[in-house]
Amino acid sequence: DVKVTQSSRYLVKRTGEKVFLECVQDMDHENMFWYRQDPGLGLRLIYFSYDVKMKEKGDIPEGYSVSREKKERFSLILESASTNQTSMYLCASSLLRDGHNEQFFGPGTRLTVL
Amino acid sequence: AQSVTQLDSQVPVFEEAPVELRCNYSSSVSVYLFWYVQYPNQGLQLLLKYLSGSTLVESINGFEAEFNKSQTSFHLRKPSVHISDTAEYFCAVSEQGAQKLVFGQGTRLTINP
Repeated sequence: DVKVTQSSRYLVKRTGEKVFLECVQDMDHENMFWYRQDPGLGLRLIYFSYDVKMKEKGDIPEGYSVSREKKERFSLILESASTNQTSMYLCASSLLRDGHNEQFFGPGTRLTVL
Repeated sequence: AQSVTQLDSQVPVFEEAPVELRCNYSSSVSVYLFWYVQYPNQGLQLLLKYLSGSTLVESINGFEAEFNKSQTSFHLRKPSVHISDTAEYFCAVSEQGAQKLVFGQGTRLTINP
């Protein structure tokens, strides 16, 4: 089975801190994604990466950056956390299957910024 | 650009009753359609998908969805729900050949005994 793991299930940080969220997948997928999930808004794409060192902005990249130094690992960075970044963060990876990219999700990290 | 609208944010039903979760999309090109399920405190799992062919697709746990191109809909149905179906359900769309998915706002399904 595909496994996507995220470094923390729950995280509490203070305003202004630098925050790293780590995601690792074990199936050699080319594509990896970071979403945030908020009630009533569904999932919104922050960034995605289609290859090592390659990244592309999603719909809400402001306040975030990403790093993909190795194929299996995709990090989301909050340079200076703010309270409006309190949210559930979901990582996903995808495999081209049946002509489309089926995405597999990690369990999520619930981040609280105080 | 594509968009997905899930018309109900919450759907409460009684156990063993039928349920329909509604999803409409907009796109100017051919699309693939998906339903994902998120059980409490978990990530999303693929429930079912429409790629091509038969417009009615089924999951292993009794859900089905029908692609209706003329109404740009992909509603999810189950004839008899169980307590274990309590979850949030997300409809998603992608352009054929695209890497990204666009998700709806989610529908929280709660099952009352």
